[in-house]
Amino acid sequence: DVKVTQSSRYLVKRTGEKVFLECVQDMDHENMFWYRQDPGLGLRLIYFSYDVKMKEKGDIPEGYSVSREKKERFSLILESASTNQTSMYLCASSLVQGAESLHFGNGTRLTVT
Amino acid sequence: QKEVEQDPGPLSVPEGAIVSLNCTYSNSAFQYFMWYRQYSRKGPELLMYTYSSGNKEDGRFTAQVDKSSKYISLFIRDSQPSDSATYLCAGSSGGSYIPTFGRGTSLIVHP
Repeated sequence: DVKVTQSSRYLVKRTGEKVFLECVQDMDHENMFWYRQDPGLGLRLIYFSYDVKMKEKGDIPEGYSVSREKKERFSLILESASTNQTSMYLCASSLVQGAESLHFGNGTRLTVT
Repeated sequence: QKEVEQDPGPLSVPEGAIVSLNCTYSNSAFQYFMWYRQYSRKGPELLMYTYSSGNKEDGRFTAQVDKSSKYISLFIRDSQPSDSATYLCAGSSGGSYIPTFGRGTSLIVHP
């Protein structure tokens, strides 16, 4: 079974802090994704990566960056956290291009005060 | 307008009822359609996956796609309290492996 592990379930940070959200998958998946999920807005794609050191912007990349130095690890970085980045962040991975389904982690609930 | 529209609910039904969850989409290029289930404080998990139009059945769950009307449905027979969750529909095109999600419908099955 694919396992996508997000390092923290809950995180509280102050405005202006640099925040790192870590995600690791154990099934050698090529593709990895970062979403945020907000009530009434659903899942919104922030960034995705289809290979090591490759990254592509999703629908809402502003205020975020990503890093993928190893195939199994995909990090989301909030350069200077703001209160409007308070959200549930979900990492996902998938095997190949096409219609392969996404496998999600259980999310990190980030609160920025 | 979002590419995939879904009523957020909540939809509340008694145990044993037949549940119908629906989505509409606007992107004619969509060929792959998915339903994800998300329990509280968990990530979404794939429930059903269909290609193009038609029906697919898996136990108590049936996914239905009508590409002519751009309509996606999920039917749950003999609903159980354990089916209480948020259900997200999604579509993707043949050229993209990135699904577009609806906002999700909250389902509550009460005993």
